[in-house]
Amino acid sequence: GQNIDQPTEMTATEGAIVQINCTYQTSGFNGLFWYQQHAGEAPTFLSYNVLDGLEEKGRFSSFLSRSKGYSYLLLKELQMKDSASYLCAVSGNTGFQKLVFGTGTRLLVSP
Amino acid sequence: GAVVSQHPSRVICKSGTSVKIECRSLDFQATTMFWYRQFPKQSLMLMATSNEGSKATYEQGVEKDKFLINHASLTLSTLTVTSAHPEDSSFYICSARIGSYTEAFFGQGTRLTVV
Repeated sequence: GQNIDQPTEMTATEGAIVQINCTYQTSGFNGLFWYQQHAGEAPTFLSYNVLDGLEEKGRFSSFLSRSKGYSYLLLKELQMKDSASYLCAVSGNTGFQKLVFGTGTRLLVSP
Repeated sequence: GAVVSQHPSRVICKSGTSVKIECRSLDFQATTMFWYRQFPKQSLMLMATSNEGSKATYEQGVEKDKFLINHASLTLSTLTVTSAHPEDSSFYICSARIGSYTEAFFGQGTRLTVV
């Protein structure tokens, strides 16, 4: 089976940096994804890690350690519009490439 | 990126009736699509994997007779919520992937309210 954990809620201030952690246990591993989701909308893709290390994309970076079953999403120069839920998802090597999502982290950015 | 279209975006139905939700891949062929359900303030819960030309694979705890999935072509999967009850009210969303190392593309989601 798969077990994917994230903190439920986080708060931060505009302009700051925030790190959202994700720990996972899966049978097989084909990559870890981060998505952003605003209330009532579909998730939007942020990043994909399949090898260990840091992937940087503008204000967002994502890190993966396969041996530790650990990833984080780093958001820099926070803006009010970054208030959303951030979902960590893992693709195992079974089940037609399905993505299983973690519990999700609601981020509130305040002025 | 690839486009997945889902409709209706919102539907209200009476208790005991059935509702069909469509998910289409517009610019690629999807042999596999995935159906998720999301309750307020919760994450996406995978319900089933829809396979073109064969039976869907349901996750543990999901009633296959209640949530009927049909994947009749390489671009269309449907989810029918049968004999809907108020507890089935939720946000249903479909997705598809082009390959093993690409992201999942999501439909717009369907807000189902059963009254």
